[in-house]
Amino acid sequence: AQSVSQHNHHVILSEAASLELGCNYSYGGTVNLFWYVQYPGQHLQLLLKYFSGDPLVKGIKGFEAEFIKSKFSFNLRKPSVQWSDTAEYFCAVNAATSWGKFQFGAGTQVVVTP
Amino acid sequence: DVKVTQSSRYLVKRTGEKVFLECVQDMDHENMFWYRQDPGLGLRLIYFSYDVKMKEKGDIPEGYSVSREKKERFSLILESASTNQTSMYLCASRLNTGQGTDTQYFGPGTRLTVL
Repeated sequence: AQSVSQHNHHVILSEAASLELGCNYSYGGTVNLFWYVQYPGQHLQLLLKYFSGDPLVKGIKGFEAEFIKSKFSFNLRKPSVQWSDTAEYFCAVNAATSWGKFQFGAGTQVVVTP
Repeated sequence: DVKVTQSSRYLVKRTGEKVFLECVQDMDHENMFWYRQDPGLGLRLIYFSYDVKMKEKGDIPEGYSVSREKKERFSLILESASTNQTSMYLCASRLNTGQGTDTQYFGPGTRLTVL
């Protein structure tokens, strides 16, 4: 069975600091990878996704993620965070052989202080 | 814009009651999903539906059933609510191009409390 592990449950950082959130998955086959974000009081929404091609993908609001197949990782980064990036971030995976079944990580709560 | 709506934002029910959670999407998406979201556990898939009248169990289907009689509507049913089903329930829909890469669009969630 697939599983998704997010390394940090809570991250607190100051505005302009760099952010990196770890995500590792356990599945040996072809996967599709996603990062979703949930801002306070809002719906979950897609930040970015990877399914093939360039392993460095860019998403909305200046976020990017790098797929490293050998490490089964899909880490999310942002060079300089803003207060408005305060949110909960979820990594998700689905396998090409079972594309209906998504596995989500436990989430990382990010708080950006002014 | 895709819109996914859920019938209630907050719901309080008693143990043993039958509970219906409704989800409607307006973009003619084939796939629909029900998740529950709990702190520290992320989102866990309860059921999903490929298309009308088609359903498949997710990772935690016990105590739940679903119904999809029309393409735009996907209902989650708690046959006999229990306190351990107190949670946030999220519905999502997705266009199906067949490769699993399509974005899921989420509703606002229903916070269910079972007393």
